[in-house]
Parts: sequence; C-alpha cells; structure tokens
Amino acid sequence: SQKIEQNSEALNIQEGKTATLTCNYTNYSPAYLQWYRQDPGRGPVFLLLIRENEKEKRKERLKVTFDTTLKQSLFHITASQPADSATYLCATNRDDKIIFGKGTRLHILP
Amino acid sequence: DAGVIQSPRHEVTEMGQEVTLRCKPISGHNSLFWYRQTMMRGLELLIYFNNNVPIDDSGMPEDRFSAKMPNASFSTLKIQPSEPRDSAVYFCASSLGRNREQYFGPGTRLTVT
Repeated sequence: SQKIEQNSEALNIQEGKTATLTCNYTNYSPAYLQWYRQDPGRGPVFLLLIRENEKEKRKERLKVTFDTTLKQSLFHITASQPADSATYLCATNRDDKIIFGKGTRLHILP
Repeated sequence: DAGVIQSPRHEVTEMGQEVTLRCKPISGHNSLFWYRQTMMRGLELLIYFNNNVPIDDSGMPEDRFSAKMPNASFSTLKIQPSEPRDSAVYFCASSLGRNREQYFGPGTRLTVT
C-alpha cells in the first residue's frame, strides 16, 4: 500500500546542534513534499515545499532535501533553539489527495 | 488577515446528539479542507472542496458525517448522530489551489461522552 512515514519516536537535540527529521514514502512517486510545524493545541503551520525536480530548498535556518531514489525527504534545522521544539509533519500528494505523516516530536534541550 | 476561523473551539456533547463545526476560510482561497486528528491515526483528510464544490469525500468515515460549503466564505461539518469514537480535533484548512500550501485554523476539540 502507499504510505508516508515519519519516525514516531521523539527526537532530543542539544541546543545549537542541527536537528534532522526524516520522511519516507513507499509505493508511489509524489510530485512534491511539504513540511509543517505543529505546536500543542494549534493547527499545523506551513514551512517549506519541495518539488520532485528540486534536490534542496532553504529558508533561513531550515533546509529540506528530496531524494526520489531513496524515496525520502530530510528536514534540517541548523543552530537549533528551544523555540524550535514542536511536532513536525510532512505531507505529500497521493492520487490527487494530500496525505500527512503522523509527525515527529522534536525537543531542543537548552 | 485573520486567518482561517473555526468555531466552536471546544465542543462537549452526549452520544447521539448532532454536532456542527464551522469554518471561515481565508478570503480569496478557493480550496477548503476538513481534517480530523487523533493520536492513533494522525491527521486524516475527510473532505475537500474546490470553488465550493466537494471534490473528494472518500475520507468521510461514514454517512453520519456530512459537509457543506454554501459559499466561498463558509463551510460546515456535521456529525449526526455523534458517537464517542468521533472524539478528536477537527481542523479546517484553506489554500490557493489543491496542491499549494495550506493554512490551518485553530481546530475544534470535540468530546463525545
């Protein structure tokens, strides 16, 4: 079946280090991948979109890569700060719909 | 812009009662989405509209759920009758097209007892 998967384990990173989150998809080829941030009690907030013909996208301290061979997107936060602590969701298109991963909870430790 | 507006923010109701959730999308956005989020299943797309027309409702769990979009600035999601397993956070989101970034509302936390 077609799936999008994120590491369900929480990720603890020391402040100042680079946090890397993974989004894997199987059995289909999305045209794009989106990344969202969700804080407790709030709706997801859009961060970045990367298309299948793009290898990398950057926005300030954020970087997203898209590897169609590995069927994977990596989301990096450089110089991480405690304020970056949140759940990060990836989303792709599948059969004309948008599907979300379950998200990875990130904790930046001061 | 006020962003996507949802009401109510919290709803507690008894099993069997009708529940109506409301959404006002961002002005100018032509796509509107209803999602349900639980710990177990994550964020699930229920239905989406394009230019006020329902395009795909295959995510609607059963006939107890219905959604309408009478005009470009208002949509409702109705559950009748409600059941405890419907307890979740329901989000509305809008965008400038189906494959563009989505803007989410604050959500409605529904508890059915």
